[in-house]
Amino acid sequence: GESVGLHLPTLSVQEGDNSIINCAYSNSASDYFIWYKQESGKGPQFIIDIRSNMDKRQGQRVTVLLNKTVKHLSLQIAATQPGDSAVYFCAETSSWNAGNMLTFGGGTRLMVKP
Amino acid sequence: NAGVTQTPKFQVLKTGQSMTLQCAQDMNHNSMYWYRQDPGMGLRLIYYSASEGTTDKGEVPNGYNVSRLNKREFSLRLESAAPSQTSVYFCASRTTGGGNQPQHFGDGTRLSIL
Repeated sequence: GESVGLHLPTLSVQEGDNSIINCAYSNSASDYFIWYKQESGKGPQFIIDIRSNMDKRQGQRVTVLLNKTVKHLSLQIAATQPGDSAVYFCAETSSWNAGNMLTFGGGTRLMVKP
Repeated sequence: NAGVTQTPKFQVLKTGQSMTLQCAQDMNHNSMYWYRQDPGMGLRLIYYSASEGTTDKGEVPNGYNVSRLNKREFSLRLESAAPSQTSVYFCASRTTGGGNQPQHFGDGTRLSIL
């Protein structure tokens, strides 16, 4: 089946720098996308979401960009802090998807150097 | 407001033993989900319950059963545990009002099967 794909890299950034985490998806029917943050020993924590009728959405220090043409999603974290160190997952679903089943990518580990 | 609560947090089983993982949410959500997370992989859906009284298979349902006990509680049962079921199990819930909404996760049950 189609799936959201993420390589599983480790992104290392300096504290205070901006971070960009990328995600490619393959299901052209997907119309709702979510970014989750997972800290060690914890469950995924909702960060921000975006619907397919938008290209950009901003939250507190985070921005999600959606490029439907190339099926690409990114999460930008401004002024990265040590507390941002975690694994980040993108997830996608379709309004036609019974039960709103999410398909998750494999995750990207963000490491923030003090 | 506890959100999604999972019990137990840790469990070790022998092959062939049975076990029920408990999940409860206090957010009055209609939909509930069970995922497993294996090292280096994203979350994979085992079963879900779109609303009280209904359950459906996800991506990896074999070897599991579920019960939606009431609106708050959704349990996952392993009838005869196998080493391949060693994983971290996450429960999630979601409101179904107002269009697409994110799923909210518990902190997981870490299950080892010897």
